[in-house]
Amino acid sequence: GESVGLHLPTLSVQEGDNSIINCAYSNSASDYFIWYKQESGKGPQFIIDIRSNMDKRQGQRVTVLLNKTVKHLSLQIAATQPGDSAVYFCAESYTGGFKTIFGAGTRLFVKA
Amino acid sequence: ETGVTQTPRHLVMGMTNKKSLKCEQHLGHNAMYWYKQSAKKPLELMFVYNFKEQTENNSVPSRFSPECPNSSHLFLHLHTLQPEDSALYLCASSQDTGQGYSNQPQHFGDGTRLSIL
Repeated sequence: GESVGLHLPTLSVQEGDNSIINCAYSNSASDYFIWYKQESGKGPQFIIDIRSNMDKRQGQRVTVLLNKTVKHLSLQIAATQPGDSAVYFCAESYTGGFKTIFGAGTRLFVKA
Repeated sequence: ETGVTQTPRHLVMGMTNKKSLKCEQHLGHNAMYWYKQSAKKPLELMFVYNFKEQTENNSVPSRFSPECPNSSHLFLHLHTLQPEDSALYLCASSQDTGQGYSNQPQHFGDGTRLSIL
């Protein structure tokens, strides 16, 4: 059935290192994928998205990789900073659909 | 500032009370959503409105009653809630591009933290 899951519930990295957060999805019809960041006391904030006609998309310090063969999505954060500490969600949907499926989230801790 | 404003930020109510949550978006979007966020669980979609029409009701109990008077405002009326309804309630909006509205990013408010006594 439809599901979006995350491999690790928590991730701890040293400040300045790169972070990689992974996500698996099961609906092969999904063609739109989003990463959100949620800080304590706030709502989810859009970070970056990617459509299924792409394998990679880069933003400011963030890169999303999409592997449709194994239904895998990852978020890479370069030079992780204390301000990156938050819960990160992946989400999937498909064109013409009316529902976005969210993963449970991975909590990222950044050690100074 | 996300462009989506939710009030109140915190709400404590008894099981017999009636209260309403309010959401307002300033982004010109035409789809609005209510989600429930409980600890360690994925976001649960409750309701979707597109151009003021309800398009999704995700098997939500009738003690939750949504209202969408226009594309910028969304309410969630609460009545006779249960302790398990304590959660963070998030409102979001997105743009319908004519190919459905779920292939655009959703913009979230900061939520209402609801506690049921």
